[in-house]
Amino acid sequence: QQPVQSPQAVILREGEDAVINCSSSKALYSVHWYRQKHGEAPVFLMILLKGGEQKGHEKISASFNEKKQQSSLYLTASQLSYSGTYFCGTEPTGANNLFFGTGTRLTVIP
Amino acid sequence: NAGVTQTPKFRILKIGQSMTLQCTQDMNHNYMYWYRQDPGMGLKLIYYSVGAGITDKGEVPNGYNVSRSTTEDFPLRLELAAPSQTSVYFCASTNWGDQPQHFGDGTRLSIL
Repeated sequence: QQPVQSPQAVILREGEDAVINCSSSKALYSVHWYRQKHGEAPVFLMILLKGGEQKGHEKISASFNEKKQQSSLYLTASQLSYSGTYFCGTEPTGANNLFFGTGTRLTVIP
Repeated sequence: NAGVTQTPKFRILKIGQSMTLQCTQDMNHNYMYWYRQDPGMGLKLIYYSVGAGITDKGEVPNGYNVSRSTTEDFPLRLELAAPSQTSVYFCASTNWGDQPQHFGDGTRLSIL
């Protein structure tokens, strides 16, 4: 039930864009995105609910294709503060919990 | 407003010892979760609760037990600690629906 994330790691220069993908084999009700800095707890970024609504948060946005059970996180004009590991958490239809992917390690360099 | 509080922050156990990881939230959330995170890996669900008196197993429940006697508290019990339980443990809570999970700062547990 664990979703698959890609890529596993990416290195960007400040100002570059990145896309992180999350794919599930189960029918989904929602997809959550979190960012975790080294040694810290995961921090919530956004939730996408069934319906395919794209959401935005400053220069970070995401989409959810419920037919394909896929979500993508878009980071534009990356900043040093964007560095960390990004996790998607998927909520299968009818479930009361999330299944987290193995994460995408994003490193932004000057 | 403290959010989700976990204690202790660090602990070293010997093989075969037992301990309880504490988790308390002050947001009146119904749903609470325990995850473990091994180095370089994602979060694996151990147990969760949808309300006081109701608990259910997650993906990796073996070697752990939980109870939920109040809305605020959701302790995780390790019986007969094993080296494979060395990990970082996170507690989280939410009111579900379209709400995010709020995480505690984690407990770093080593079993030697």
